[in-house]
Amino acid sequence: QVQLQQWGAGLLKPSETLSLTCAVYGGSFSSYYWSWIRQPPGKGLEWIGEINHRGSTIYNPSLKSRITISVDTSKNQFSLKLTSVTAADTAVYYCASRQQLPGAYYFDSWGQGALVTVSS
Amino acid sequence: QSALTQPASVSGSPGQSITISCTGTSSNVGSYNYVSWYQQHPGEAPKLMIFDVSDRPSGVSNRFSGSKSGTTASLTISGLQAEDEADYYCSSYTSSNTLVFGGGTKVTVL
Repeated sequence: QVQLQQWGAGLLKPSETLSLTCAVYGGSFSSYYWSWIRQPPGKGLEWIGEINHRGSTIYNPSLKSRITISVDTSKNQFSLKLTSVTAADTAVYYCASRQQLPGAYYFDSWGQGALVTVSS
Repeated sequence: QSALTQPASVSGSPGQSITISCTGTSSNVGSYNYVSWYQQHPGEAPKLMIFDVSDRPSGVSNRFSGSKSGTTASLTISGLQAEDEADYYCSSYTSSNTLVFGGGTKVTVL
């Protein structure tokens, strides 16, 4: 398993862009898919999207128009940008990883989570 | 994509067994044995408990077991303990090559 450490701005105004980064420690960066998952206060988990080391992405269709997930292999980091945020985007955002193996559709490492609040 | 359906809460006494259901569709749970379960204690990140419907990661107690029938997956916790009180989420791969979570179930140990 890898260790994930994430950071980013915690307070945004409506219409601003959310930006979070997750650093990966241990393991082979090219052996995983790197995901973002969010959890509104008191609510369930929502998969946002993922990227591999080559930069290939898959996004949640409900968020696709506002999301960009990118990767920096030189730093073993990946990032999330979510544009035009509203109060509905207030959530704890987690980075997570799943192994790049056939059928490995589960997350075995998670970041510590970062609360992002959208408020005017 | 719609979230998988889980009961909002399940409770049991210490030592009892409880089962949490996770209902999807033929586009996710019903078509793939790629259902996973996560345990989340307050203020913590989720922890993987079950993957591929019924497999346990190393270090997870064998009191946790998973199964699937049709479009419904289930997580059973046997010999319920106080430390099992947490929120539990199921997840499934989908035919759109995405992942979807359930709404979560709060487990209370009476």
